[in-house]
Amino acid sequence: KNQVEQSPQSLIILEGKNCTLQCNYTVSPFSNLRWYKQDTGRGPVSLTIMTFSENTKSNGRYTATLDADTKQSSLHITASQLSDSASYICVVSSYSSASKIIFGSGTRLSIRP
Amino acid sequence: EAGVVQSPRYKIIEKKQPVAFWCNPISGHNTLYWYRQNLGQGPELLIRYENEEAVDDSQLPKDRFSAERLKGVDSTLKIQPAELGDSAVYLCASSLGAGNSNSPLHFGNGTRLTVT
Repeated sequence: KNQVEQSPQSLIILEGKNCTLQCNYTVSPFSNLRWYKQDTGRGPVSLTIMTFSENTKSNGRYTATLDADTKQSSLHITASQLSDSASYICVVSSYSSASKIIFGSGTRLSIRP
Repeated sequence: EAGVVQSPRYKIIEKKQPVAFWCNPISGHNTLYWYRQNLGQGPELLIRYENEEAVDDSQLPKDRFSAERLKGVDSTLKIQPAELGDSAVYLCASSLGAGNSNSPLHFGNGTRLTVT
């Protein structure tokens, strides 16, 4: 069964600190993996996209990693800011004929001043 | 570039009443999605369109939900009759390519439905 599991479910850190969010998936055949940021009351917005051959991709203070062998990804946030408070959703796409896109449940990140 | 536009932003109805949501995707995006998102969960696909054709509606509760995308542009999602369990945020998204392409999904801000 195609699944995307994220951890932790929620996280609280102080402003300026770093954090890492985890994503494990069992989606096959794998096409790509995206991390989305969803602010409260808004739709998700794409942060990064990674294909099978990519190990690391950065977008400002956000760095995503992908290990296609272990089917794990992480999103590292450096020098967190209050505006980073949001849900971060891991999304994996499959090359199957159904063109499936599988969403994780997200990690709720809260940045405290 | 204008983003995905959804309306209404909020809707409160009594159970057994009908409700409709509207979505205008980004111009030129041939793929359109309707998702339902419950609190603390990721979005769940209801239906996906490639142009005007519904290519994946396997998760759409067809006894009460219906959708259309006439002319392959904007789309409406309807629930009739609504049940208490339908309370959720309904998100519309669009993309340039098919669901498994490298084109990201662009989401609207959703319609928050409350059924009382």
